[in-house]
Amino acid sequence: QKEVEQDPGPLSVPEGAIVSLNCTYSNSAFQYFMWYRQYSRKGPELLMYTYSSGNKEDGRFTAQVDKSSKYISLFIRDSQPSDSATYLCAMKAGNTGKLIFGQGTTLQVKP
Amino acid sequence: EAGVAQSPRYKIIEKRQSVAFWCNPISGHATLYWYQQILGQGPKLLIQFQNNGVVDDSQLPKDRFSAERLKGVDSTLKIQPAKLEDSAVYLCASSYHNEKLFFGSGTQLSVL
Repeated sequence: QKEVEQDPGPLSVPEGAIVSLNCTYSNSAFQYFMWYRQYSRKGPELLMYTYSSGNKEDGRFTAQVDKSSKYISLFIRDSQPSDSATYLCAMKAGNTGKLIFGQGTTLQVKP
Repeated sequence: EAGVAQSPRYKIIEKRQSVAFWCNPISGHATLYWYQQILGQGPKLLIQFQNNGVVDDSQLPKDRFSAERLKGVDSTLKIQPAKLEDSAVYLCASSYHNEKLFFGSGTQLSVL
C-alpha cells in the first residue's frame, strides 16, 4: 500500500465549476500537508501549505485536512481554463521530514 | 527573485552511457533536493543536502547515481551507467527552512 493515494484522473470540468481534489494517506505521523500545481513541462509550484487539521483559504483555493480520516482535499471555486494542470498532494511527518507526494490528478477545465 | 535554475532541459542518451545534471538553487536556500519524477507518478526524493552535507540519500541508487554539492550552493547529479528505467524528469528543489520547497523546471531524460 502506498503511503499517499491520489486518483490520477483525468478530471474534466466546464469553466466555472467547483473542483474537488482528494488524497488519502496511511501514516498518522504526517502533520504538514501541501498541494502543488504542475503545468506540462514545468516543475511543481506550491499552492497551499497547511499544518495539522482544519481549513485554509487562499483566493479561489481552499485546502482541508481531516487527520481523523487521514484525508485531505483541495477545492477550486470558479475554475478557469488556466487551472488545467496536474495537482499533486504532498505531506511530511516533521518539519525536517521527507516530503511524500501523491501520484497527481490531471485536471482539464473546458471553456 | 530568481528561481531554481536547472540545465540541460532535455537529454537523450543510450543505455550504459553517463549523464550529468546541474542545479543552482535560490540564493540563500541552504537545503537542496533532487527528485525523480517518472511519467504519471509523483516526484520521489533521491537525495537531500543541507548546505554541502547529505541529510537523506536512502532512495538514491548508489551503484549508479551520485550527487555532490560543493561549497553549499550548486549541485550536480550524475548517472553512470544509465538504464532504460532511468528515463524520467529530474527535478531540483531548494528551501530556506525546509518548509516550502521551490522547484526548477527539471531535466527530461530519455534513455534509449
